[in-house]
Amino acid sequence: GQNIDQPTEMTATEGAIVQINCTYQTSGFNGLFWYQQHAGEAPTFLSYNVLDGLEEKGRFSSFLSRSKGYSYLLLKELQMKDSASYLCAVRDPGANNLFFGTGTRLTVIP
Amino acid sequence: KAGVTQTPRYLIKTRGQQVTLSCSPISGHRSVSWYQQTPGQGLQFLFEYFSETQRNKGNFPGRFSGRQFSNSRSEMNVSTLELGDSALYLCASSAGTAAAEPQHFGDGTRLSIL
Repeated sequence: GQNIDQPTEMTATEGAIVQINCTYQTSGFNGLFWYQQHAGEAPTFLSYNVLDGLEEKGRFSSFLSRSKGYSYLLLKELQMKDSASYLCAVRDPGANNLFFGTGTRLTVIP
Repeated sequence: KAGVTQTPRYLIKTRGQQVTLSCSPISGHRSVSWYQQTPGQGLQFLFEYFSETQRNKGNFPGRFSGRQFSNSRSEMNVSTLELGDSALYLCASSAGTAAAEPQHFGDGTRLSIL
């Protein structure tokens, strides 16, 4: 089976750094994705990790440890517009579909 | 380049009815996947189509079905609607099926069952 865990909610202050964790236990692994979803909008692609290590993209970075079944998304210099849900997803090996966690709702406060 | 387009955006149906949702992928994308999103369960995979063939199916009852046309547009049908089918239905497209290829989502169809 597939099990992907994320914290349900997090709150952080504007200008700060926040780390959103994701742990997974899946029958196979073919890469891990992070998506951002604002309320009432489509999820939008943020990052992809398939090898261990850190991938940096501007204010957003994503880390993966395959041996630990663990990833995190790091958001720096938080802005109010970063208030959204962040979805961790693992790609099903041999298929194109994604298995999603329930998402972490991040609230950025002034 | 236009994004993934889903119609309609909102639908209200009653129990027992059936419904058809439509998805137009990004131009040139041949893979279309459907997901159901509910507050408690998050996004759950329904099925995936590639070049008019269903390649993969999630753990949903047979009341949920879909198809893909030669222009890659896809439809999803739910028959004998139940209250629990109330959800946001998201369609996602990708250019191919390489592992690193991200899926691009539409805004979804919000289905409410009365």
